[in-house]
Amino acid sequence: DADVTQTPRNRITKTGKRIMLECSQTKGHDRMYWYRQDPGLGLRLIYYSFDVKDINKGEISDGYSVSRQAQAKFSLSLESAIPNQTALYFCATSDRGLAGWGGDEQFFGPGTRLTVL
Amino acid sequence: GEDVEQSLFLSVREGDSSVINCTYTDSSSTYLYWYKQEPGAGLQLLTYIFSNMDMKQDQRLTVLLNKKDKHLSLRIADTQTGDSAIYFCAETLNAGNMLTFGGGTRLMVKP
Repeated sequence: DADVTQTPRNRITKTGKRIMLECSQTKGHDRMYWYRQDPGLGLRLIYYSFDVKDINKGEISDGYSVSRQAQAKFSLSLESAIPNQTALYFCATSDRGLAGWGGDEQFFGPGTRLTVL
Repeated sequence: GEDVEQSLFLSVREGDSSVINCTYTDSSSTYLYWYKQEPGAGLQLLTYIFSNMDMKQDQRLTVLLNKKDKHLSLRIADTQTGDSAIYFCAETLNAGNMLTFGGGTRLMVKP
């Protein structure tokens, strides 16, 4: 079974609709992240959470909100979707750089492809 | 501010070496990473290098770091069709800090 799962995998919606993307992890990591990927722009950080009580805005948080329901669950909401939010969305987790080598490996889910018409 | 840049596309023939380049602007970077994204999947860490190293080799992969020029490269020896993917370089300023990703280089391997 996958360690980081995302639902739905694909979603098509209309402008103005509210959308929620969900992420679950079984890795036991404290840190969770939401990114969006656009061609040629790499991954840009939307929100991140270092534990259940900690939520932080990333580079491009406008138009998005998040909820950390539990250590294992981190959801991303688009309150009123607009076409320029059409993108591939990734959830990721990490273990606070405690793996022993000093760096911080992030583990990614398979992505949600969102299309806003 | 932080900025990580990569060329968008690289095409090589199977069996040749591939070299994917990356430049970054933050001289305080402590770790630099290469992530691989296969079609329809999320990113996976491929390799990393600590900023006090010049080179790291791991089987077919060689990472070179030139701190003076803020240039990072990933060399894949004997490139195979299974290496076709998007490769992202990324940096962090210190352990556990945020990753800043480049735009990704799409590697196409022709048979």
